[in-house]
Amino acid sequence: NAGVTQTPKFRVLKTGQSMTLLCAQDMNHEYMYWYRQDPGMGLRLIHYSVGEGTTAKGEVPDGYNVSRLKKQNFLLGLESAAPSQTSVYFCASRIYYGYTFGSGTRLTVV
Amino acid sequence: KQEVTQIPAALSVPEGENLVLNCSFTDSAIYNLQWFRQDPGKGLTSLLLIQSSQREQTSGRLNASLDKSSGRSTLYIAASQPGDSATYLCAHDKAAGNKLTFGGGTRVLVKP
Repeated sequence: NAGVTQTPKFRVLKTGQSMTLLCAQDMNHEYMYWYRQDPGMGLRLIHYSVGEGTTAKGEVPDGYNVSRLKKQNFLLGLESAAPSQTSVYFCASRIYYGYTFGSGTRLTVV
Repeated sequence: KQEVTQIPAALSVPEGENLVLNCSFTDSAIYNLQWFRQDPGKGLTSLLLIQSSQREQTSGRLNASLDKSSGRSTLYIAASQPGDSATYLCAHDKAAGNKLTFGGGTRVLVKP
């Protein structure tokens, strides 16, 4: 049982480039989330999904887009990366009150 | 003002000492509160969940209390060990949306 898998684990982008972060879960969870973590600021919610085909904005959605075409996958896209998007990105899935987090993607935008 | 605040940001204690980690939140209308542990370069692991109708939860050496009226939760770790060194984050969610709101975390170092 792999839980929540994030790919890639590390990435360096140039300003203006685009990329997609993939989150996959094998637990049949309905709810999935994308957070970013910056030093001293805890985790902030970017976007989330309450089921296949649904997405909603979180606390810091600007500059990001998401898609949930399949229940097990939640994609986070950066259309035009900016240095302010340098962060560690975490995906999570949830059933009832139990959250399972991925190990994170460390993204640097230069 | 941040919704969830954790003070101090960092804490260093000798092995065997009890740890007391504080979490305060501005909105008393929370659904539940959770404590997570994060090891360097890793994701978050859930430690304890306190539902809004509960006052505390215990698991082994860990005990977490919740006082909604004062907007506070405290995580106690008894007889700390070097393996307890990590960052501890508290988070709450509200009935609507079930989205976790996190504090900034407390980085703990337990010295042998």
